[in-house]
Amino acid sequence: EADIYQTPRYLVIGTGKKITLECSQTMGHDKMYWYQQDPGMELHLIHYSYGVNSTEKGDLSSESTVSRIRTEHFPLTLESARPSHTSQYLCASSEYRSVNTEAFFGQGTRLTVV
Amino acid sequence: AQKVTQAQTEISVVEKEDVTLDCVYETRDTTYYLFWYKQPPSGELVFLIRRNSFDEQNEISGRYSWNFQKSTSSFNFTITASQVVDSAVYFCALSEAKTGNQFYFGTGTSLTVIP
Repeated sequence: EADIYQTPRYLVIGTGKKITLECSQTMGHDKMYWYQQDPGMELHLIHYSYGVNSTEKGDLSSESTVSRIRTEHFPLTLESARPSHTSQYLCASSEYRSVNTEAFFGQGTRLTVV
Repeated sequence: AQKVTQAQTEISVVEKEDVTLDCVYETRDTTYYLFWYKQPPSGELVFLIRRNSFDEQNEISGRYSWNFQKSTSSFNFTITASQVVDSAVYFCALSEAKTGNQFYFGTGTSLTVIP
């Protein structure tokens, strides 16, 4: 069973609000990811990190930002939420030193911006 | 270009039927890894299997089996005697050694097993 946790599971918030989606893992994994999942199922990588103080943008442009101050914690922040940010956000982690490893996913945060 | 293609968007089968989910990948790396994940309605992605590019042996785990063929760049997933609990979205993914374990996901196949 994967030890990666996302909070909140569901969030409904008004336009213009600042929000932070939390993601924590207890596996000591160096690499962490944020994916945005459209209602039509496709996963888009929006941010990833190789370790502490490392953050990179993914393939899909996103107005969100991330930080990696601790190995186990990789929060995602939206400074001003908009309805176009409504989506499911999935956090994942994997070992960095080994490429022969799968990614472990959290349960996701379903965000609705009204 | 899409690195992982899952041409089947939605599949419906009647319970106890066998079903095969297709996955075709594209890479120039000689060392790569392929994965299948299951996403039930609850939302999390559950890891099912990992296969590296040097191991073309097919694998069977209970009702699940995987057919990896480098010649056709395919990594297909078969569920035998499907059950309602198999209803989920299934994702195929690729990781290349040269890109530092970046995961490329297909668009997913939504499987519905009808009782």
